[in-house]
Amino acid sequence: AQSVTQPDIHITVSEGASLELRCNYSYGATPYLFWYVQSPGQGLQLLLKYFSGDTLVQGIKGFEAEFKRSQSSFNLRKPSVHWSDAAEYFCAARPHSGGSNYKLTFGKGTLLTVNP
Amino acid sequence: GAVVSQHPSRVICKSGTSVKIECRSLDFQATTMFWYRQFPKQSLMLMATSNEGSKATYEQGVEKDKFLINHASLTLSTLTVTSAHPEDSSFYICSARAAGGYQETQYFGPGTRLLVL
Repeated sequence: AQSVTQPDIHITVSEGASLELRCNYSYGATPYLFWYVQSPGQGLQLLLKYFSGDTLVQGIKGFEAEFKRSQSSFNLRKPSVHWSDAAEYFCAARPHSGGSNYKLTFGKGTLLTVNP
Repeated sequence: GAVVSQHPSRVICKSGTSVKIECRSLDFQATTMFWYRQFPKQSLMLMATSNEGSKATYEQGVEKDKFLINHASLTLSTLTVTSAHPEDSSFYICSARAAGGYQETQYFGPGTRLLVL
């Protein structure tokens, strides 16, 4: 079955420190991959996406993610975290094909806390 | 970027009443819209997928007669929770996908907090 796993439920980092949020996927073929961020009581904002090509993807707010086929991973990184980055982060994937009703599969999310 | 709005952002209603939530794609045409439900501290659960002009496809376990979805135009989808009960209280999020191309991205609305008393 298709699945997306975010191994870390909660991560705490200090402001200014680097960040890496892990994401692993299980699909028959490499899916399209996404990272979304959700602030409390808000919807989801797309940070970045990977469809094909360069395995290092740049996103908004200084985030980047690296696709590693050998590890079935798509980890999100940021070199220096800001207090405003505190939020819930969701990794998501969808298959390349599936007709008009393709479905995103979400990980369970990682809650990021930023200490001053 | 693509913007999806939802209205209302928050609604409180009495048990037994119906509540309608609107989802609009503001700057693009959405051939497909998705409705999700999110419980506190949990991920998003897909409820249904709707294509403009056709009936919605519901996920297993979601009551289609309780959660009525209408996708009447390329920019508007509505979710009506009929005869709402306290257990329907949740955060409902819609998502829209633009028409054309195989690399479409889903954009999400800000969500609607429903509280049924």
